[in-house]
Amino acid sequence: KAGVTQTPRYLIKTRGQQVTLSCSPISGHRSVSWYQQTPGQGLQFLFEYFSETQRNKGNFPGRFSGRQFSNSRSEMNVSTLELGDSALYLCASRGTENNSPLHFGNGTRLTVT
Amino acid sequence: KNQVEQSPQSLIILEGKNCTLQCNYTVSPFSNLRWYKQDTGRGPVSLTIMTFSENTKSNGRYTATLDADTKQSSLHITASQLSDSASYICVAPSGAGSYQLTFGKGTKLSVIP
Repeated sequence: KAGVTQTPRYLIKTRGQQVTLSCSPISGHRSVSWYQQTPGQGLQFLFEYFSETQRNKGNFPGRFSGRQFSNSRSEMNVSTLELGDSALYLCASRGTENNSPLHFGNGTRLTVT
Repeated sequence: KNQVEQSPQSLIILEGKNCTLQCNYTVSPFSNLRWYKQDTGRGPVSLTIMTFSENTKSNGRYTATLDADTKQSSLHITASQLSDSASYICVAPSGAGSYQLTFGKGTKLSVIP
């Protein structure tokens, strides 16, 4: 089975711009979640989607949004970028079995200048 | 408030030596705790899951323990190798659904020759 795929791998944007990140989950996984990772802060939960519905949301401003498509692929959008948005953005999918682990992609490294 | 705290924040050890990473949790209700390993530039990968039914579990040179009384879990690495250099993150589900997760900030382990 192919793993979780995130594109692009690296991205450089300037303040005020917007960005869209993409995530393709493991085949058969309907849950996709997004995380922001910065040094010293660890993994910060952004949101989770299950069967195209947002199931849970973290404490991030409304500039951060996401969606999930019928094929379970997900996108995350950040509008009006700020310098503090520079981070590694990780996507993870998981199966429906009880206590199933998160399967992470290798992330998108976003740099805002 | 649900919390997962890890110690130490960082650790440097010589190749071949053993080490132990700690994770203290206060999540309610508690069901399980999972350890992830994150290599530099990659997404985290699940190492093992600990539940009430097993207080010790081994995965090669990695041994995880769980003490439900003290609400502590540890990850012991035996005969460390350079490839063990990574961040180790513990995660526990919390809240009304098992899909809500509380993350530790991780321990950054560096194994030097």
